Amino acid sequence: QVQLQESGPGLVEPSETLSLTCTVSGYSIRLGYYWAWVRQPPGKGLEWIGSKYHGENTYYNPSLRGRVTISLDTSKNQFSLNLISVTAADSAIYYCAREDSSWSYFDYWGQGTLVAVSS
Amino acid sequence: DIQMTQSPSSLSASVGDRVTITCRASRGISNYLNWYQQKPGKAPKLLIYAASSLHSGVPSRFSVSGSGTDFTLTISSLQPEDFATYFCQQAFSSPRTFGQGTKLEIK
Repeated sequence: QVQLQESGPGLVEPSETLSLTCTVSGYSIRLGYYWAWVRQPPGKGLEWIGSKYHGENTYYNPSLRGRVTISLDTSKNQFSLNLISVTAADSAIYYCAREDSSWSYFDYWGQGTLVAVSS
Repeated sequence: DIQMTQSPSSLSASVGDRVTITCRASRGISNYLNWYQQKPGKAPKLLIYAASSLHSGVPSRFSVSGSGTDFTLTISSLQPEDFATYFCQQAFSSPRTFGQGTKLEIK
């Protein structure tokens, strides 16, 4: 059974960097699929942040204007999100997910982690 | 970006009812359309992918139709566990985008 679990600080100060890690179990991230981050401000809709395939391919949401980086650590079977220069607008529940490489559906999700941006 | 618009935004129904949720794309997305169900405090769950394929374990009372720009999700006979928020998501082009959600509530 594929499982994903987010970890990282629940509070980040404005202008700082938000860093989250997703630990994957039950599937090796080097075998395929995209590995993605999606966020959701409490009570609102879903926003795709970006996805990375083992190897070269990485795709980001242009709305994040170059502030985001997703990286994979195959030795730990983890992938990470870095979002720089955060503001209150970046406060949200952050989900990691596995994304099918052909149809781009998200079939496995982490439980989500709430990150607040506040001083 | 492709905009996804769901209607209605909210819907009240009773157990046993048949309900339909619509998702419209701002331009054609072929059948690159996925649906998710989200319950309060939980991550979304994949229901349907590629416009018409039910994800593993999803009951057959869920069905979909549509292609191009207009899609519908139908639940043939609502069960108590179906009351949730439903999101559509286009997978035709990047950035992947979601509809704003349809909240299905018990009448």
